[in-house]
Amino acid sequence: GQQLNQSPQSMFIQEGEDVSMNCTSSSIFNTWLWYKQDPGEGPVLLIALYKAGELTSNGRLTAQFGITRKDSFLNISASIPSDVGIFFCAWQLIQGYGGSQGNLIFGKGTKLSVKP
Amino acid sequence: NAGVTQTPKFRILKIGQSMTLQCTQDMNHNYMYWYRQDPGMGLKLIYYSVGAGITDKGEVPNGYNVSRSTTEDFPLRLELAAPSQTSVYFCASSPDRVGEKLFFGSGTQLSVL
Repeated sequence: GQQLNQSPQSMFIQEGEDVSMNCTSSSIFNTWLWYKQDPGEGPVLLIALYKAGELTSNGRLTAQFGITRKDSFLNISASIPSDVGIFFCAWQLIQGYGGSQGNLIFGKGTKLSVKP
Repeated sequence: NAGVTQTPKFRILKIGQSMTLQCTQDMNHNYMYWYRQDPGMGLKLIYYSVGAGITDKGEVPNGYNVSRSTTEDFPLRLELAAPSQTSVYFCASSPDRVGEKLFFGSGTQLSVL
């Protein structure tokens, strides 16, 4: 199966700091997605990326689809306490590469803690 | 606008008991999914459905069953609960075929003791 790595596993930062996390894969993907899970809730889609090299922002969040199509990065600027949660990257498998319809592969997540 | 609603929020089962996790959505989405989330392991797809009457296995279907008699409802059934099924279960729906924009419920935390 695909080798998927999301790092770091966890981060403890001070309010106001910038945050950077990434996902890498041994396989090529045609879609990269970033979800956030608030404590006690289900994940919510933050950003979707569809083309190699694509850079997309959503408020203080910026995500990029790597040129090789094997990685993606998420940056959060000027973190605030409500940024606390788990950030997941997810992949939409290319048809014919063993993916069942609608099957997203989720990374293991980056748990973010923000100290006020 | 309720979105995806899951019940119950918490449940404790004894080994061998059975139960049904309920999921309903009011967005008229054809595509619905069940995921389980184990600590530090991300989400794994159990079953999914592309419309009423059509279901298919995901990555970890063993020990579970599903049905989809209506567009709105997608219950997940555990017939003989085992400790390995202790997890947080999420139901999700999506409006389009590729399923990338998933709308999740708030989860059911299940413990099997």
